[in-house]
Amino acid sequence: AQSVTQLGSHVSVSEGALVLLRCNYSSSVPPYLFWYVQYPNQGLQLLLKYTSAATLVKGINGFEAEFKKSETSFHLTKPSAHMSDAAEYFCAVSVGAGNQFYFGTGTSLTVIP
Amino acid sequence: DTAVSQTPKYLVTQMGNDKSIKCEQNLGHDTMYWYKQDSKKFLKIMFSYNNKELIINETVPNRFSPKSPDKAHLNLHINSLELGDSAVYFCASSQDWAGFEETQYFGPGTRLLVL
Repeated sequence: AQSVTQLGSHVSVSEGALVLLRCNYSSSVPPYLFWYVQYPNQGLQLLLKYTSAATLVKGINGFEAEFKKSETSFHLTKPSAHMSDAAEYFCAVSVGAGNQFYFGTGTSLTVIP
Repeated sequence: DTAVSQTPKYLVTQMGNDKSIKCEQNLGHDTMYWYKQDSKKFLKIMFSYNNKELIINETVPNRFSPKSPDKAHLNLHINSLELGDSAVYFCASSQDWAGFEETQYFGPGTRLLVL
């Protein structure tokens, strides 16, 4: 069975501090992994995705994620948090026919001024 | 030039009513999806259509019936609404369904409240 686990439903960081949001996956086949961001009262927007081309993936707004097969992880990082980064972040894995996404339970990021 | 649009944005209704949510995408994609996001923000796939044909139908009560008049539209009709149907419903689309790496593009969501 395929799934993702996001550790930490709430993460708070100070403005300018490192952001680290954790995602671990479980997949019996090589996974395709995605990070989406959801701002309040909005839909989901793609931040970045892993498709096996490179283990370090750079996304929008200064975010990046590293695929580590040995750790079955795809953690999201940003060197310096900005107030505008406050949002809900979702990790997802794509498996099976139909491009079916399985989402993690989300991590709410708060940025403290 | 909205990519994936949904109407209405908010829907407040009484238990037992029937309601529809419309979704349209102007990306030229072949595949469209409906997701339900519950009060804890958990997102779960409900349906997926490729070029008007149903390809994913998760365990969803048959009170929910998707309809795809053409590949740019995927509507969701809900009969006999129940309190537990209160959620945010997201429509999404992707280029096709065969590639696991296909990005899904999401609409802004429809916030349904059943009283």
